[in-house]
Amino acid sequence: NAGVTQTPKFRILKIGQSMTLQCTQDMNHNYMYWYRQDPGMGLKLIYYSVGAGITDKGEVPNGYNVSRSTTEDFPLRLELAAPSQTSVYFCASSFPGQSSGNTIYFGEGSWLTVV
Amino acid sequence: KQEVTQIPAALSVPEGENLVLNCSFTDSAIYNLQWFRQDPGKGLTSLLLIQSSQREQTSGRLNASLDKSSGRSTLYIAASQPGDSATYLCAVNFSGGYQKVTFGTGTKLQVIP
Repeated sequence: NAGVTQTPKFRILKIGQSMTLQCTQDMNHNYMYWYRQDPGMGLKLIYYSVGAGITDKGEVPNGYNVSRSTTEDFPLRLELAAPSQTSVYFCASSFPGQSSGNTIYFGEGSWLTVV
Repeated sequence: KQEVTQIPAALSVPEGENLVLNCSFTDSAIYNLQWFRQDPGKGLTSLLLIQSSQREQTSGRLNASLDKSSGRSTLYIAASQPGDSATYLCAVNFSGGYQKVTFGTGTKLQVIP
């Protein structure tokens, strides 16, 4: 069981370039999330999705875009990279329910540096 | 504003010691609270989830408690081992949507052999 898989693990971008972080999960979870983690800060929600075809902004969406064409995949697009987007990005998924709670499963992270 | 605070930011203990990590939150209207472990260069691994209606959860040497009225949770680690060294994060799912999860900044634990 692979869980949540995200690629690439490391990437260096030049200012103004664009790229896509890939995320896929094999647990048939309906909720998927993208977070960024900066040193000394808690994780911040960028975008989330409650199911295929449905996405919504989180706390820090500016400069990012997402799509959710399938249950499994939730790519994060960075347009016109800026130094402020240097961070560690985590994809996560969950299957919320009243009896099961909302255990969140995380990928291993993608380290992005914008120079 | 819904906030989650973890104090201290870092903690160093000798092997074998029992220890308590603290988490406080500003709003008692929550769905659940989750404790995670994060190793350097890795993602977060869920340790325990406490539903709003529960007072505590246990898994092996770990015990997490929840007191909604005071806005506090503790993670108790018994007989600490060097392998427990990691950063422990608390995450609170505030009411209003399952996406409304606020993370603390974590407590970095070092267990000294």
